[in-house]
Amino acid sequence: EAGVVQSPRYKIIEKKQPVAFWCNPISGHNTLYWYRQNLGQGPELLIRYENEEAVDDSQLPKDRFSAERLKGVDSTLKIQPAELGDSAVYLCASSYRDFYEQYFGPGTRLTVT
Amino acid sequence: AQTVTQSQPEMSVQEAETVTLSCTYDTSESDYYLFWYKQPPSRQMILVIRQEAYKQQNATENRFSVNFQKAAKSFSLKISDSQLGDAAMYFCAYRSARYYGGATNKLIFGTGTLLAVQP
Repeated sequence: EAGVVQSPRYKIIEKKQPVAFWCNPISGHNTLYWYRQNLGQGPELLIRYENEEAVDDSQLPKDRFSAERLKGVDSTLKIQPAELGDSAVYLCASSYRDFYEQYFGPGTRLTVT
Repeated sequence: AQTVTQSQPEMSVQEAETVTLSCTYDTSESDYYLFWYKQPPSRQMILVIRQEAYKQQNATENRFSVNFQKAAKSFSLKISDSQLGDAAMYFCAYRSARYYGGATNKLIFGTGTLLAVQP
């Protein structure tokens, strides 16, 4: 069974540029999570989807961050415009349902210069 | 709000020896889950072991075991017979078992312990 797929693995952009990250969850997993992991820290939840509905986006900086999960499968997380403080690893995870084990992807390491 | 604290930024162990990683947490809830995740340089978080708070018996997964002290709010991970492949960042995490709707299934992570395994 394929795991959670994320792309790209690495991204380097200049500040004020837009950037997007893509996540394909494990087949059949209804719940999808985006986490941000700053250097030397544990991951922090940005947004959680149940199917195509964002049920918890309380930690998402909505002025510059947006996310979508069309058709309840793949998801895209976007930052526009990026700031230096956005440099981090962005992790995607999925679970069969809420409260089930979360499986993580390899993450995207974003560097904003 | 719940918090998770890992007070050991780095640990080192000799191959085949035993090492214990510490974790404390703070919560007012009585029903919750605790986890240890491993994050190797590939960055993919891998679940090592989980513990349900209502269970008194400590969880065990092969060479990995926990010492869960609910009253002390302590949750340490013991790795026996350490192997080179155990070298990674280890994160302790908490998750409420109570359904609030919306924000409930959020994993709350500590800051991690970087484990080095010496040959």
